[in-house]
Amino acid sequence: ILNVEQSPQSLHVQEGDSTNFTCSFPSSNFYALHWYRWETAKSPEALFVMTLNGDEKKKGRISATLNTKEGYSYLYIKGSQPEDSATYLCAFDSGGGADGLTFGKGTHLIIQP
Amino acid sequence: DAGVTQSPTHLIKTRGQQVTLRCSPKSGHDTVSWYQQALGQGPQFIFQYYEEEERQRGNFPDRFSGHQFPNYSSELNVNALLLGDSALYLCASSSGLGELFFGEGSRLTVL
Repeated sequence: ILNVEQSPQSLHVQEGDSTNFTCSFPSSNFYALHWYRWETAKSPEALFVMTLNGDEKKKGRISATLNTKEGYSYLYIKGSQPEDSATYLCAFDSGGGADGLTFGKGTHLIIQP
Repeated sequence: DAGVTQSPTHLIKTRGQQVTLRCSPKSGHDTVSWYQQALGQGPQFIFQYYEEEERQRGNFPDRFSGHQFPNYSSELNVNALLLGDSALYLCASSSGLGELFFGEGSRLTVL
C-alpha cells in the first residue's frame, strides 16, 4: 500500500501572507507527482504535474518543487488571497496513470481577510 | 467545451440496494477513472477504463463494477450496498498521460 502524507492537515493564513505545505510520497517507482486545488462545491482542478527531480513549476502566485530522491514536494502560495481558500491535494503516480493516482488527505487552507 | 459531467449529484439508497452512477468525459478524452472519497480521506482509486475495457483496478471488491461505452462515457455500478459505501464518487477523464479532469462528483448516502 502506497503512503502519501500531506501536512499540515489544515492551515489558517492571513490575507497577504505567504504559506507553504508539504507532500511526502514513496521515493521508489516514481512516475509523476500531481497537485490539485479543490474549492468547496466544485471539482478538483489540476495545478501541476511534475515528473523530474529538482523540477520547479509556477502558475501565478503558486509554485511547487519536487524532490524524488527523498520523496517530497512543496507547494508555495505567495501573497495569499481569499480565493486561494481550498483543499490542496497531492497525488503520487507510480505507473504513468494506468495504475491510478494515490492521493493524500489534503491540506485545507483558509485565508482570513 | 463541456468538462466532465456526472449524474446524479446526490442520491440516497438503503443497504442491499444497487446504484448506477454516470460520467461523461471531457471532449477529446478517451480514458475514464473512478475514485471514491470517504469522509476525511483523500480520493481512492477504484478503476480505470480505456477502449471500453477495465485497464486497472484499485483495492475494491467485486461489488464495484463499471462499463465504458463507445462514446467514452462510463458507468460505475455498486451492488449490495453497505453503509460504508457512503461517499463522494468522483469521475476523472484524461487523454493518455498527464493531468486528470474531474467532475463535481456524485454524493451517495446509504441508510
